[in-house]
Amino acid sequence: QVQLVESGGGVVQPGRSLRLHCAASGFTFSTYGMYWVRQAPGKGLEWVAFLEYDGSKEYYADSLKGRFTVSRDNSKNTLYLQMNSLRDEDTAVYYCANNNDAIAYWGQGTLVTVSS
Amino acid sequence: DVVMTQSPLSLPVTLGQPASISCRSSQSLVDSDGNTFLSWFHQRPGQSPRRLIYKVSARDSGVPDRFSGSGSGTDFTLKISRVEAEDVGVYYCMQGTHWPPWTFGQGTKVEIK
Repeated sequence: QVQLVESGGGVVQPGRSLRLHCAASGFTFSTYGMYWVRQAPGKGLEWVAFLEYDGSKEYYADSLKGRFTVSRDNSKNTLYLQMNSLRDEDTAVYYCANNNDAIAYWGQGTLVTVSS
Repeated sequence: DVVMTQSPLSLPVTLGQPASISCRSSQSLVDSDGNTFLSWFHQRPGQSPRRLIYKVSARDSGVPDRFSGSGSGTDFTLKISRVEAEDVGVYYCMQGTHWPPWTFGQGTKVEIK
């Protein structure tokens, strides 16, 4: 069955960087586009980034203003999210999800807390 | 960007009774091929979201048939025919037609009376 496992979250100071990982299994990772979606504490869902199956095209939420970069290693069935210049408002649970008629299956999420 | 508006935002329900959630988009979600990428997700407390419905009315694998989706254009509905205790949580609609960005509704919190 589809399994997505996020890791790499933690507590980080404002202005610092963090890299999230999403390990995929149970489906042919290299043929699926992948998403990052986040959820601030007590809030709703916010799309963050999308990467095509072959890494050829990437899309980001305007609010990120170039601070985040999504990438993937299809040989390792892994999706990444490099987050730079982190701000208090980036505090959230970050989920990865696969693309199957839009956002389909979600991982369990990893919590990122930006705090001094 | 397409704005998704859900109503109500809070829905107290009685076990065994039906429930309905509305979702409206700021523009038609029909794409040039005639597809409509409107999905519904359910998030239980402390859990990640699970997709229930995609392309307006198609149920994901393992989703009970008491859940149904309907609608067209800009108006969509998720219905639960008979609410069970495990159905509590927050329900979100999402559009995947006009991207980026993919946009979600605010969420509807379903709780048992």
